[in-house]
Amino acid sequence: EAQVTQNPRYLITVTGKKLTVTCSQNMNHEYMSWYRQDPGLGLRQIYYSMNVEVTDKGDVPEGYKVSRKEKRNFPLILESPSPNQTSLYFCASSSYKVNEQFFGPGTRLTVL
Amino acid sequence: RKEVEQDPGPFNVPEGATVAFNCTYSNSASQSFFWYRQDCRKEPKLLMSVYSSGNEDGRFTAQLNRASQYISLLIRDSKLSDSATYLCVVSGGGSQGNLIFGKGTKLSVKP
Repeated sequence: EAQVTQNPRYLITVTGKKLTVTCSQNMNHEYMSWYRQDPGLGLRQIYYSMNVEVTDKGDVPEGYKVSRKEKRNFPLILESPSPNQTSLYFCASSSYKVNEQFFGPGTRLTVL
Repeated sequence: RKEVEQDPGPFNVPEGATVAFNCTYSNSASQSFFWYRQDCRKEPKLLMSVYSSGNEDGRFTAQLNRASQYISLLIRDSKLSDSATYLCVVSGGGSQGNLIFGKGTKLSVKP
């Protein structure tokens, strides 16, 4: 089954404790992206990657890091999480033509 | 001006009604346009791409007006299952990967 998976689905952590949210797709897509969704603000792009070893900042990259060492994986790293990073995070992938983006099920992160 | 602007709703309509959503975008260099649907606490899913010539998929019709930088979605014969939030999505105009999402329009279809 073609899909985008994210782990963990739910995470409660404390300020300053490094964490990684994994994202993996099995569709051989070149393009992958991370978004956060907050009430009243909608979906905002954090980082995206056009291919292996190619990443670019989206609209709200501060406080986040990403890497794209393999085509299928695009982890999101929070080196020192803060409460304002409490949000619902979605990973997405698509073919290079940016047609349909397939989203993962989301990761609900709470930073205390 | 916000990059992608939508009426947040909610739109409360009876079954069988026709409902129209509008969206405006600010970047004239944008090349790709989409409508996504998002159910509560779920991931967004592509409803349809929007082409310059307009396109229809069953009860759904999307239109694009580049001159006015305006996108629309028309839903005919609304079903209870159409209740969701509809997201207008526009490419950023720069790097191909940059997509800008509207905040969404909430639709509630009542019996």
